[in-house]
Amino acid sequence: DSGVTQTPKHLITATGQRVTLRCSPRSGDLSVYWYQQSLDQGLQFLIQYYNGEERAKGNILERFSAQQFPDLHSELNLSSLELGDSALYFCASSPPPGSPANEQFFGPGTRLTVL
Amino acid sequence: AQTVTQSQPEMSVQEAETVTLSCTYDTSENNYYLFWYKQPPSRQMILVIRQEAYKQQNATENRFSVNFQKAAKSFSLKISDSQLGDTAMYFCAFIPVSGTYKYIFGTGTRLKVLA
Repeated sequence: DSGVTQTPKHLITATGQRVTLRCSPRSGDLSVYWYQQSLDQGLQFLIQYYNGEERAKGNILERFSAQQFPDLHSELNLSSLELGDSALYFCASSPPPGSPANEQFFGPGTRLTVL
Repeated sequence: AQTVTQSQPEMSVQEAETVTLSCTYDTSENNYYLFWYKQPPSRQMILVIRQEAYKQQNATENRFSVNFQKAAKSFSLKISDSQLGDTAMYFCAFIPVSGTYKYIFGTGTRLKVLA
């Protein structure tokens, strides 16, 4: 157990709909990252937050948005869903810069299926 | 731009044999961290091993070891005494100590351990 939680585990929805994925980082971690992984593909970096502020942006579609709240949990909002958005969405957290451990700790992922 | 390259999309190895997965990276940074993550069929991302660039000694974790060649910007993973449970996708990742603290992942190597 990495200490990163993601809800829900599975989500099935229809094209055109909007969904929200939720992530709680490990205790003490200030950074949250979102990744998309389509079937048998690598990790596509979407966006990073650090202590509530957006820090880095990857290939995130305009239909997608995210935020990190004061309690450090994060939400990824996906709207106007398309079939191609079906994927596993990972959240990861990492300790503050300068901490002894620098690796990312991954949540179990949310599997999104768009029908 | 910082990049991570894994040139072997797929590999296979006989149980109990040794296999080496390659990873090269490109950066102008002098201080950074390198990681190998494993993603078994369960799709959970698991940290295998980490290496700090300022440490010349190669990291080892039980049957897993790395060959870190800083000048060549190479970071290969050696798995000794391969086990069926090692069957997974392996991702190499890099993060500079400074900057946005954004992790760069390679495209992955799918390893199959054969009985």
